[in-house]
Amino acid sequence: ILNVEQSPQSLHVQEGDSTNFTCSFPSSNFYALHWYRWETAKSPEALFVMTLNGDEKKKGRISATLNTKEGYSYLYIKGSQPEDSATYLCASAPRQLTFGSGTQLTVLP
Amino acid sequence: GAGVSQTPSNKVTEKGKYVELRCDPISGHTALYWYRQSLGQGPEFLIYFQGTGAADDSGLPNDRFFAVRPEGSVSTLKIQRTERGDSAVYLCASSLVTGGTDTQYFGPGTRLTVL
Repeated sequence: ILNVEQSPQSLHVQEGDSTNFTCSFPSSNFYALHWYRWETAKSPEALFVMTLNGDEKKKGRISATLNTKEGYSYLYIKGSQPEDSATYLCASAPRQLTFGSGTQLTVLP
Repeated sequence: GAGVSQTPSNKVTEKGKYVELRCDPISGHTALYWYRQSLGQGPEFLIYFQGTGAADDSGLPNDRFFAVRPEGSVSTLKIQRTERGDSAVYLCASSLVTGGTDTQYFGPGTRLTVL
């Protein structure tokens, strides 16, 4: 992996479903991985900053895991709600962020 | 407290014109970043400041782009002789210190449209 890649590109789920998506990043010289949620017409909102292999972080119904050795992170949303509809971005550091293209999540009521 | 603010929120200009985009970071944040998001892509790094100086401008696409932060707070991104390909959302972010583990707080962006 040379760049930060996210999959799927877009996702539609029903309200109440749980969902997850993937971020792949270069595993060599890993420093930190950031997750953001970006709703239309708003500022990107920071969700997590992850640094340790095996780390798991949680914020309400959203959680994320990190595997630095193989270069991937998963973001999970439990019991999706319409207000979770947004684009979810991951980005690798060392300093300036290198972003993936995002996963656009739509939660249907 | 106040977050990162950017003005204007929208800017429509004609090809060849000069534009300035402003960013007000969170008070006390020493690091300031500019990114650009084109349609269908994630934000791309342009430049970052540590204090008043540009610590890394490797993301600026060409010499039509320039940014300043004269007093270590407000920053202005300047684009000369705009081209249609410059149309994008320009995002500004700030962080307390410089470092990959520090959260970057983003503004809402300026949507630039070059006709």
